[in-house]
Amino acid sequence: QVQLVESGGGVVQPGRSLRLSCAASGFTFNSYAMYWVRQAPGKGLDWVAVLSHDGNNEYYLDSVKGRFTISRDNSKDTLYLQMNSLRVEDTAVYYCAKGPISGVVTHYFDYWGQGTLVTVSS
Amino acid sequence: QSVLTQPPSVSAAPGQKVTISCSGSSANIGKNFVSWYQQLSGTAPKLLMYENNKRLSGIPDRFSGSKSGTSVTLAITGLQSGDEADYYCGSWDSSLYAVVFGGGTRLTVL
Repeated sequence: QVQLVESGGGVVQPGRSLRLSCAASGFTFNSYAMYWVRQAPGKGLDWVAVLSHDGNNEYYLDSVKGRFTISRDNSKDTLYLQMNSLRVEDTAVYYCAKGPISGVVTHYFDYWGQGTLVTVSS
Repeated sequence: QSVLTQPPSVSAAPGQKVTISCSGSSANIGKNFVSWYQQLSGTAPKLLMYENNKRLSGIPDRFSGSKSGTSVTLAITGLQSGDEADYYCGSWDSSLYAVVFGGGTRLTVL
């Protein structure tokens, strides 16, 4: 069965960096687009970034452009999110999610991980 | 402020029907597909519906989706206590070039 397990969250000061990982299993990782979606405490969902199955196409939420970088290692079935210049407003649970259709970047996600909490605070 | 607009809460008794609306604009719902997610308390969101009205495999036919213009509706019939959750709509916004969500609707089964 599909499993997505995020790690790397924690407490970090404003301006510092953090890298999240998402270990995937149960499907052919290199065939599917992958996503990061975040949820601030008690708030709704915010899409953060998407990376195509081959790593050639990436898109970001405007507020994270230039600060966050999504990447993947298809040899390790792992998705990453490098977060630099973190701000208090980046505090959220970060979920990785899988695209539903092989080889296609879609606008919805069929499997989600359990999330990892990032807290940006001085 | 979310790009898509949902009512903050809805409620109904067990066995009844409830509808959750999601309104947007010509840049998102008006020209792109909508998906719906269910988030039970303390858990990750789960995909329920995609492409406006298609149910993910395993989702009961008590859940249905419809679209009209720049609005969509999720309907749940035969309400059960296990349906208590937050529900989110999502779509692609062709102007923002981003996936956008509604603010979420909390369903309470009375």
